[in-house]
Amino acid sequence: ETGVTQSPTHLIKTRGQQVTLRCSSQSGHNTVSWYQQALGQGPQFIFQYYREEENGRGNFPPRFSGLQFPNYSSELNVNALELDDSALYLCASSSTEADNYGYTFGSGTRLTVV
Amino acid sequence: SQELEQSPQSLIVQEGKNLTINCTSSKTLYGLYWYKQKYGEGLIFLMMLQKGGEEKSHEKITAKLDEKKQQSSLHITASQPSHAGIYLCGALRPPTDSWGKLQFGAGTQVVVTP
Repeated sequence: ETGVTQSPTHLIKTRGQQVTLRCSSQSGHNTVSWYQQALGQGPQFIFQYYREEENGRGNFPPRFSGLQFPNYSSELNVNALELDDSALYLCASSSTEADNYGYTFGSGTRLTVV
Repeated sequence: SQELEQSPQSLIVQEGKNLTINCTSSKTLYGLYWYKQKYGEGLIFLMMLQKGGEEKSHEKITAKLDEKKQQSSLHITASQPSHAGIYLCGALRPPTDSWGKLQFGAGTQVVVTP
């Protein structure tokens, strides 16, 4: 059973640029969630994708968008990057078929905006 | 999030001593997750509690859920250097309230000294 894989592991972007982060969900999982974790804080929910549609969103502006593909993998896109977007971005997959609502997290992508 | 408070914010414990971390929710809990995170890395699942009064143990880590108090505690017995890290509690709210979104506390940093 493979876990959640995120790429890239580290990324440096310039303010105003756009970035795409990728996530491969754990085998058997059909739901993907994205979280932003600023330094010294707990992860903050960005949004969740199920059946290739956004299914719940946190308090993030529209320049944060995502996609889920038929194989359940997902992308997080951030446009017009701001310095405050610098954070660890975590992807978590889960299954609506499971009884225990387990969430498996990836190792994250460290985004630095300069 | 103030809806989910963790305490203490950080603690230093001597190797071999016990420690307890608390997580208190101001809103109804549907489930409570405990994760461990090494600095800048992904979240490692420890355990999930769903039923009031539920208690789970894994190796030297025990977690309990007090449904009436909407509170959970994580207890580590005879701490070891491998227990060092950041412990995060994550609340799963009822289906009518942001279903699928995990709301995290700010984390508790644990340092284990020789």
